[in-house]
Amino acid sequence: VQLLEFGGGLVQPGGSLRLSCAASGFTLTHHAMSWVRQTVRGLEWVSAISVSGKNTYYADSVQGRFTISRDIFQNTLYLQMHSLGAEDTALYYCAKCESDNCRPGFDYWGQGALVTVSS
Amino acid sequence: DVVMTQSPLSLPVTLGQPASISCRSSQSLVYSDGNTYLNWFHQRPGQSPRRLIYKVSNRDSGVPDRFSGSGSGTDFTLKISRVEAEDVGIYYCMQGTHWPWSFGQGTKVEIK
Repeated sequence: VQLLEFGGGLVQPGGSLRLSCAASGFTLTHHAMSWVRQTVRGLEWVSAISVSGKNTYYADSVQGRFTISRDIFQNTLYLQMHSLGAEDTALYYCAKCESDNCRPGFDYWGQGALVTVSS
Repeated sequence: DVVMTQSPLSLPVTLGQPASISCRSSQSLVYSDGNTYLNWFHQRPGQSPRRLIYKVSNRDSGVPDRFSGSGSGTDFTLKISRVEAEDVGIYYCMQGTHWPWSFGQGTKVEIK
C-alpha cells in the first residue's frame, strides 16, 4: 500500500488549491478514505469519502469550502480547497481506512502535502 | 463536538521503564454497534502518523506487544511496558464514534 500526495504549495488568502493522492496496492472502491491535516496545534480530521463515493463528510471548519472526490480509474483521491485562509495552512495527509468504515482510524497514511496560505 | 484530552502532554521516560498516557473523552465513545472507537497513533519525528491500536485494545500488525491499550466509556490508557529508543515521538488518541472524528492534543514522549 502506498499513498502519494501532490499539489501542495503556497497560495494567497482567498485562493484555491487541489490536492491529489495517488493510491496503489489497493483500490479506492474497496476502502473509505480521509484527509487529515496537521498544524502546530496537532491533528485535525478534515474530510472523508465513503466506499461507494456517494457519501462525503466534512469538518465544520472546511464545510462549504472543501470538496473531497475520487477518480476510481486513476485510483486517485482529491481535495479541492477554495477560499483558503491562514488557518488552513497545514500538512495535509491522505489516509486510508481499513474497509468501508473509518471509525477504527486510518491504517495507512501518505507522506503529506504542505499547504501554506500567505500573501 | 467530542473533545479528547490527553495527559500528560510531555512525558520524559527512562529506557526500559514503563510509560502510560491517558486519554479522556467528553462523551462516551461506545457506538450504537457496540464497539468503542478509540484509536491510538504514533508519530515519530519527521514521519507520518502510524496507527498502533484500534478499538481500545487491538494492536495493529507489526506493533510490538509492549504496547497495550485499555479503558472504556470515556477513560482510556496507552501503556508501554518497557520503553525503547524507537518509541520517542508524539502519541495521539482519536475517537471515531461521534462526528466529527477528533484527536487528542498529543503526548510527546522523549528519553530522559
